[in-house]
Amino acid sequence: KQEVTQIPAALSVPEGENLVLNCSFTDSAIYNLQWFRQDPGKGLTSLLLIQSSQREQTSGRLNASLDKSSGRSTLYIAASQPGDSATYLCAVRPYNDYKLSFGAGTTVTVRA
Amino acid sequence: NAGVTQTPKFQVLKTGQSMTLQCAQDMNHNSMYWYRQDPGMGLRLIYYSASEGTTDKGEVPNGYNVSRLNKREFSLRLESAAPSQTSVYFCASSLTGYEQYFGPGTRLTVT
Repeated sequence: KQEVTQIPAALSVPEGENLVLNCSFTDSAIYNLQWFRQDPGKGLTSLLLIQSSQREQTSGRLNASLDKSSGRSTLYIAASQPGDSATYLCAVRPYNDYKLSFGAGTTVTVRA
Repeated sequence: NAGVTQTPKFQVLKTGQSMTLQCAQDMNHNSMYWYRQDPGMGLRLIYYSASEGTTDKGEVPNGYNVSRLNKREFSLRLESAAPSQTSVYFCASSLTGYEQYFGPGTRLTVT
């Protein structure tokens, strides 16, 4: 069974600092990996999706890398802002299945 | 273009009552999903529908039923609600193999 872990569970940084969020998974036979953002009391917003054949994806200040062989993905957020405060979740999808396995998330607080 | 919509936003039920959570998407996606989110447990898949006319069980299907009414709509029914079903329920949709898009959620309390 796929296990997805996100460490740390919570992170507090001053505004302007770069954020590094980690996601690890136990079964490297994945089809893709998706990063989400969740604001308190809200749904999930998709940030980036990396297919298994890709090493990274970028969108604005966000960059996600994928190392399938070691079972790790990292989400980098450059020059953090208070508006980046949220919970960030990663989820992996295996081959030949539609089910996503989610990590528990990292809750980020960016202090002004 | 509303994306994924869910109704209701909030609901309180008594143990044993039934209800249906509604979900609709306007992105012409073929796959739809129901998840529940609980503190300390993360998001868990209840049921999914890979395409219109098909449904399959996810990780935690007991106590729930689903209907894929058409390509746009996927409903989740609780036949006899239990306190253990107190949770936040999310519907999602995707083109097969691509990003999943989530609705705003339904916050359900069963007393």
